[in-house]
Amino acid sequence: DAMVIQNPRYQVTQFGKPVTLSCSQTLNHNVMYWYQQKSSQAPKLLFHYYDKDFNNEADTPDNFQSRRPNTSFCFLDIRSPGLGDAAMYLCATSRGVTGAGETQYFGPGTRLLVL
Amino acid sequence: RKEVEQDPGPFNVPEGATVAFNCTYSNSASQSFFWYRQDCRKEPKLLMSVYSSGNEDGRFTAQLNRASQYISLLIRDSKLSDSATYLCVVNGGNTDKLIFGTGTRLQVFP
Repeated sequence: DAMVIQNPRYQVTQFGKPVTLSCSQTLNHNVMYWYQQKSSQAPKLLFHYYDKDFNNEADTPDNFQSRRPNTSFCFLDIRSPGLGDAAMYLCATSRGVTGAGETQYFGPGTRLLVL
Repeated sequence: RKEVEQDPGPFNVPEGATVAFNCTYSNSASQSFFWYRQDCRKEPKLLMSVYSSGNEDGRFTAQLNRASQYISLLIRDSKLSDSATYLCVVNGGNTDKLIFGTGTRLQVFP
């Protein structure tokens, strides 16, 4: 089945130790997104790629970086995780721009714990 | 004012009940509207898109009122399996972004 896959599902890291979360998709969608979601809060968009074009949200900390080496894969790098970065990280994809009615499809998320 | 506002609930309803959620959005340029469902510690999943003419999918009915900038979701004949958080989602005007509400929690009891 076509889907959005995230690995790992759970990640434990130490304060300040870099961590990379991965996302892959078999939907062949053009757009890939990374969201951060904390308990009882709405998903917060960090950045997204339209093909290779990177779009960073203005309030995304510099600590968060992303790479999209090809259509199928997208990575979220957290350079120096702090305790406040503990959250669920959700990857999503869409065929085109959501302003045109395209829906987003989410992966199962990676739950990050920072010790 | 939040871009998308929802009553967080929880709404506690018995099986078989009809329940309605409302959501308001602030950007009059928004063009796309959705309801997503999110189970505890899981990812959001698309429940239904919301069209200007309103749409129905089984027990679920969504309505859009552009003049008042609100969206509604009606669930008829509630099932225990409907227990979840329902996220109201709109696109951010002429952008690629989706703006999520914080969700309305529904708990259906036997």
